[in-house]
Amino acid sequence: IVMTQSPLPLTVTPGEPASISCRASQSLLHSDGLNYLDWYLQKPGQSPQLLIYLGSRRASGVPDRFSGSGSGTDFTLKISRVEAEDVGVYYCMQALQIPRTFGQGTKVEI
Amino acid sequence: QEHLTQSGAEVKKPGASVKVSCKASENLFTRYYFNWVRQAPGQGLEWMGWVNPNTDYTDSTQNFRGRVTMTWDTSTRTAYMELNNLRSDDTAVYYCARTLAYCTDLSCPGMDVWGQGTTVIVSS
Repeated sequence: IVMTQSPLPLTVTPGEPASISCRASQSLLHSDGLNYLDWYLQKPGQSPQLLIYLGSRRASGVPDRFSGSGSGTDFTLKISRVEAEDVGVYYCMQALQIPRTFGQGTKVEI
Repeated sequence: QEHLTQSGAEVKKPGASVKVSCKASENLFTRYYFNWVRQAPGQGLEWMGWVNPNTDYTDSTQNFRGRVTMTWDTSTRTAYMELNNLRSDDTAVYYCARTLAYCTDLSCPGMDVWGQGTTVIVSS
């Protein structure tokens, strides 16, 4: 499954909203009714961290300014009000099939 | 705090093997899949494969089949990834990451606990 993100570079303004799109080459909707799509953030010099799983569920400890939406092949990560600590590279990843595949990554800068 | 601790950086020659370890903290539930993800310098993330610590079932991408072995040692709570016949393009940071919960078939929720990464440099 090919994952395509847009935009690839994204310049944001603190306090303003931001969004990243992710499109899968085939549906990520499982027969159990769940969309197997994750979002990760890799801050500079750090390991990736899980933000959103199953398309829209926030991982433990993730601020509520992050939200995920979408179904099937089209997904969106939204940041309601960007903060300086949100800089880094955002990746979507399909978790439906093996092998797992990531998007190219969206580099977010202030 | 739940965490995964990986082994230190390695420098290897082409054709050699490397074995990276990933030890789970005592309070980390270890019955979910352990994944291996790598990141070449300046590049994105690449999923390599995974191991089921309950069944020892393992799978990897076509790129690595025949070259990689992923295992789980229950007695030491440690996952291992061994990559053989190293090439220069295997130079990367290698991460282990635990799946968040049980999977449905092979579909799983996110990878919620990550190791700090192990740098492997392959150079003659």
